Amino acid sequence: EDQVTQSPEALRLQEGESSSLNCSYTVSGLRGLFWYRQDPGKGPEFLFTLYSAGEEKEKERLKATLTKKESFLHITAPKPEDSATYLCAVHSSGSSASKIIFGSGTRLSIRP
Amino acid sequence: NAGVTQTPKFRVLKTGQSMTLLCAQDMNHEYMYWYRQDPGMGLRLIHYSVGEGTTAKGEVPDGYNVSRLKKQNFLLGLESAAPSQTSVYFCASTLLGADGGYEQYFGPGTRLTVT
Repeated sequence: EDQVTQSPEALRLQEGESSSLNCSYTVSGLRGLFWYRQDPGKGPEFLFTLYSAGEEKEKERLKATLTKKESFLHITAPKPEDSATYLCAVHSSGSSASKIIFGSGTRLSIRP
Repeated sequence: NAGVTQTPKFRVLKTGQSMTLLCAQDMNHEYMYWYRQDPGMGLRLIHYSVGEGTTAKGEVPDGYNVSRLKKQNFLLGLESAAPSQTSVYFCASTLLGADGGYEQYFGPGTRLTVT
């Protein structure tokens, strides 16, 4: 059964303290892995799509990487405005557009 | 370009009442989705549509119905609301790109409470 697990559930960092969020997945075949950012009271906002192991994408202080079993969202020198919940989702091969599975998210808090 | 919009933003229902949530997108996307989000459970797919006039069941369809009469609109109906349907509901849309990307664009959500 396809599964997506994110860790940790919550992470508190000091401003400037770099760290990584993890997304482990088990799917029959990966067509795409997505990262989203969700602010309180708002809908998820698309960040990245990764398609194959070894791929990396960057946006400001965020960098997403992908291996055959997991993805990492690295945050470098975070600022308080980076505080949000980060969601990971996977689309598996052999399935329709409906089969996009979301993890429960990592709640990131950056203290000034 | 408003993206994906949802109405209403908040609603309180009594058990047994009915209501319809409206989702609209102005990006000419083919695929539209309805999710519910509950604490600790992530986003769960209720129903989805791959084009005008089509609908299909997702992971948790019971108690909900949908319609997609126009490409830009996707309606979610609750015929007889139950407390278990208290949740935040998100609509999303996707343009199936040439590379097969399914990145979704989400609306702001509807917070529904059933008492």
